[in-house]
Amino acid sequence: DIVMTQSPDSLVVSLGERATINCKSSQTILYTSNNKNNLAWYQQKSGQPPKLLIYWASTRESGVPDRFSGSGSGTDFTLTISSLQAEDVAVYYCQQYYSSPITFGQGTRLEIK
Amino acid sequence: QVQLVQSGAEVKKPGASVKVSCKASGYTFIGYDFNWVRQATGQGLEWMGWMNPKTGDTGYAQKFQGRVTMTRNTSISTAYMELSSLRSEDTAVYYCAREGAYGDYAYWGQGSLVTVSS
Repeated sequence: DIVMTQSPDSLVVSLGERATINCKSSQTILYTSNNKNNLAWYQQKSGQPPKLLIYWASTRESGVPDRFSGSGSGTDFTLTISSLQAEDVAVYYCQQYYSSPITFGQGTRLEIK
Repeated sequence: QVQLVQSGAEVKKPGASVKVSCKASGYTFIGYDFNWVRQATGQGLEWMGWMNPKTGDTGYAQKFQGRVTMTRNTSISTAYMELSSLRSEDTAVYYCAREGAYGDYAYWGQGSLVTVSS
């Protein structure tokens, strides 16, 4: 199984500041046939299902604000929120969909300072 | 617009089974795979398995092999997840999730709380 490890477990950031969440996979999730990393980022607010933010490691889902961006390749990935807004308080998960079983990171809780 | 509407909360006794439904609308039901993901209170996301609604093919996480069955009824655009031999550790919110065009989970149901308690 591919193990996904996020850091930090929790993060406290001031409004308007940058938030950075890291995700590391235990093996590469880069599909060489199309040069795409099979990694997604989700946002989960309290009491709601997860919401897809980013797929292919760096492609923003339609309707997602451009303050959210994803980067990285191979085994190391980052989700960046460029200017934190109050509505960004949530738990964020990375997910690999490269191979079965599909696995998620343990989650990073983001709070406002 | 794509919608996934799940069945309501259930309370079950240890050893019983539960069947959660996920009714899809807004797209061609057989066009995209379904996945089931669960989340215990305050915990992370745990993948349970997938189903191809066109063929009925399934794949389950090893942890749930022998206890989980994923099926569908194409005539009513509904996917099902049945979990048997329930134990207290199965208490969780169960989500259905439809894959997007690239394998990610673009659409999620609202979740179904299953409580296992004697």
